[in-house]
Amino acid sequence: DVKVTQSSRYLVKRTGEKVFLECVQDMDHENMFWYRQDPGLGLRLIYFSYDVKMKEKGDIPEGYSVSREKKERFSLILESASTNQTSMYLCASSIGGSSYEQYFGPGTRLTVT
Amino acid sequence: GQNIDQPTEMTATEGAIVQINCTYQTSGFNGLFWYQQHAGEAPTFLSYNVLDGLEEKGRFSSFLSRSKGYSYLLLKELQMKDSASYLCAVKRSGGSYIPTFGRGTSLIVHP
Repeated sequence: DVKVTQSSRYLVKRTGEKVFLECVQDMDHENMFWYRQDPGLGLRLIYFSYDVKMKEKGDIPEGYSVSREKKERFSLILESASTNQTSMYLCASSIGGSSYEQYFGPGTRLTVT
Repeated sequence: GQNIDQPTEMTATEGAIVQINCTYQTSGFNGLFWYQQHAGEAPTFLSYNVLDGLEEKGRFSSFLSRSKGYSYLLLKELQMKDSASYLCAVKRSGGSYIPTFGRGTSLIVHP
């Protein structure tokens, strides 16, 4: 079974803190993704990566950065957390190519106070 | 640009059939996915359609009409455990795999 794990299920941070969300997949997938999910807005793509050290902006990259130093690991960084970044963050991975489904991690519920 | 529409919420009775619609307007369509997401859990893959027609997989079927920009997910013999959100996602044009998700349809199955 493909497994995508995220470092925390719940996280509480203060405004202005630097926040790291880690995602690891164990199936040698080329593609990895970070989404945030908010009520009424659905899943919105923040960043994705199709190879080590490669990254592309998604629909809402402002306030975020990412790092992919190893194939299995994709990190999302909030340089200076703000209250409007309170959300559920979901990581996903997929095999390279167009027709393959994504496998999602369990999510991290981040609260910024 | 991408525009994907799904109903926000639907209710149905255990044992019945329900159809969840998804309409989309995209540039360069390259496939449509359906995912299921139970409350508090990660989305899981249900189906993928790239050609017109119906794909059946057990109690779940998915239909696509590319000319109409329309898909539906059909759930038969509904069970209580089918209560979940159902997400439609359209693959964007271009060489990379970047799906755009609709806002999801919350399905409530009652006895």
